[in-house]
Amino acid sequence: GAGVSQSPSNKVTEKGKDVELRCDPISGHTALYWYRQRLGQGLEFLIYFQGNSAPDKSGLPSDRFSAERTGESVSTLTIQRTQQEDSAVYLCASSLGQGLSYEQYFGPGTRLTVT
Amino acid sequence: AQSVTQLDSQVPVFEEAPVELRCNYSSSVSVYLFWYVQYPNQGLQLLLKYLSGSTLVKGINGFEAEFNKSQTSFHLRKPSVHISDTAEYFCAVISVSGGYQKVTFGIGTKLQVIP
Repeated sequence: GAGVSQSPSNKVTEKGKDVELRCDPISGHTALYWYRQRLGQGLEFLIYFQGNSAPDKSGLPSDRFSAERTGESVSTLTIQRTQQEDSAVYLCASSLGQGLSYEQYFGPGTRLTVT
Repeated sequence: AQSVTQLDSQVPVFEEAPVELRCNYSSSVSVYLFWYVQYPNQGLQLLLKYLSGSTLVKGINGFEAEFNKSQTSFHLRKPSVHISDTAEYFCAVISVSGGYQKVTFGIGTKLQVIP
């Protein structure tokens, strides 16, 4: 079946502009995660959605970052007033959810470059 | 607080030699443990996981890891590496509390297999 997909694959934007990144999880996966991977660094947790529960936003680095998820499907990560330090690969992952499996399936990522 | 430490950022090893990639974690509650691999220009994929049961777990491509609760470690090993094992390896822990998952990734270890 289809895996996790993300769009766009690459995004170049000017400093100060807003960007929206999209994630389509695997059908039936109730958990969805967003991570940031800066060049040469590990995965930085941003936000986690579990079903219809309130999301865990504890990893969002500033109030310029927000994310939404429609039910148990598509999620969008929005970065407002982008800064150069926002340049990174943004990864989305989904999993079946708590008590079923904790294995995360990752998308290919969106490479964001802020000029 | 929960944390994951991957002590080696880069590990060069000759082809057919054994390798161990170290991972230590800290958590005040029980955790589930994972190793993910990211091959060059590819997305992250699960290598192996420990949820419960036998502390020695086997994964894909001949890798194995041993959960050591007293040492709070989950080191990854392979008795004989191949060129195709050149990749970045990430250790991750998940704890579950109050209906939420808390996931933490290490910074990654780049394995460079030398012919």
